[in-house]
Amino acid sequence: GAVVSQHPSWVICKSGTSVKIECRSLDFQATTMFWYRQFPKQSLMLMATSNEGSKATYEQGVEKDKFLINHASLTLSTLTVTSAHPEDSSFYICSALGEAGELFFGEGSRLTVL
Amino acid sequence: RKEVEQDPGPFNVPEGATVAFNCTYSNSASQSFFWYRQDCRKEPKLLMSVYSSGNEDGRFTAQLNRASQYISLLIRDSKLSDSATYLCVVMYNFNKFYFGSGTKLNVK
Repeated sequence: GAVVSQHPSWVICKSGTSVKIECRSLDFQATTMFWYRQFPKQSLMLMATSNEGSKATYEQGVEKDKFLINHASLTLSTLTVTSAHPEDSSFYICSALGEAGELFFGEGSRLTVL
Repeated sequence: RKEVEQDPGPFNVPEGATVAFNCTYSNSASQSFFWYRQDCRKEPKLLMSVYSSGNEDGRFTAQLNRASQYISLLIRDSKLSDSATYLCVVMYNFNKFYFGSGTKLNVK
């Protein structure tokens, strides 16, 4: 099946720093990717829809200036958490839309902000 | 009302049992339906797509009932390795996905 790779898997950073997470579709082109965050024992929460070559569409309540999304190529989308704070600590997951309309998820990135 | 609703469980079943999960969706224009499995602290992985005619993959059977707007997942002969959270995912408008909150299964 299609593979989506996410990097880094784990990141620990100091409060106030920025963290970039990459999401790559390895064997297919993904014009649409999605970014989620998930808190423990809760469901995935969609943050934004990333479209190649255009601005991301953010869900209500998600600050676009804090969570910068770039989808510069058909195989790569990045999420940058700017000026991270402890409340941003979470599990961030990306997914890419496959050709048959299914979603393929990256392995997730666990962010801990100290 | 949530777009997609699932019984959160947990469902605690012995090995070898048959267990069924249901998921209801509110948007009648929904186009595609999927079951994903998510292990603790891992990403969701596609288990199977759900087709109108129903489909089976080994011990897993998925059904779609458009009239009543629900999908189901049946697991036969449960294994310890089936323990996970099962997510119901509904797509409409070709790129809008809604997730259920997941049903937790514990096979003991």
